[in-house]
Amino acid sequence: GQNIDQPTEMTATEGAIVQINCTYQTSGFNGLFWYQQHAGEAPTFLSYNVLDGLEEKGRFSSFLSRSKGYSYLLLKELQMKDSASYLCAVRDSNYQLIWGAGTKLIIKP
Amino acid sequence: TAGITQAPTSQILAAGRSMTLRCTQDMRHNAMYWYRQDLGLGLRLIHYSNTAGTTGKGEVPDGYSVSRANTDDFPLTLASAVPSQTSVYFCASSPLGGQGDQPQHFGDGTRLSIL
Repeated sequence: GQNIDQPTEMTATEGAIVQINCTYQTSGFNGLFWYQQHAGEAPTFLSYNVLDGLEEKGRFSSFLSRSKGYSYLLLKELQMKDSASYLCAVRDSNYQLIWGAGTKLIIKP
Repeated sequence: TAGITQAPTSQILAAGRSMTLRCTQDMRHNAMYWYRQDLGLGLRLIHYSNTAGTTGKGEVPDGYSVSRANTDDFPLTLASAVPSQTSVYFCASSPLGGQGDQPQHFGDGTRLSIL
């Protein structure tokens, strides 16, 4: 079967750095997406990785290792507004997205 | 702003009744999707459409039907609602049928409770 694993919940301090991990086992791989979802709202796109390595976008970076079936999302200089769920999704061989359950990130002052 | 509009925002429905969730996009995206999101689970694909006139089944299609008569609209119908269909339903769209680096864009969701 297909599986995406993420920690259920993480806590971090305002101004700090946090790394959210995602491991996957899917039938094929055609890219990995990270989304942010605030409570009661729609998911919004953060980043996309299809090749190994690090993609940086301002305070957010995403890393991919295809051989290890592993990705992480790195958030720097955390702000209170970063409190949200972070969803990892892998595009499989049918070009459909398989979603993890999401990691709820709690930011404390 | 442009994007995806879902209606209604929320609904309480008696079991056995039928209902259509509406989804309209104005981005001229080819592909559209319906997901359900339940606590503790990832988004699960119900049905999708890669282009107007075509539809496909996702991971959890039973009890749901869709149509794609034109590019903009992708309604989801529950023919006879059951309590297990209580969920938050998201409609999404993307420029291509899941290819390239184009992400899916989501509507604000419909919160549906079946009693």
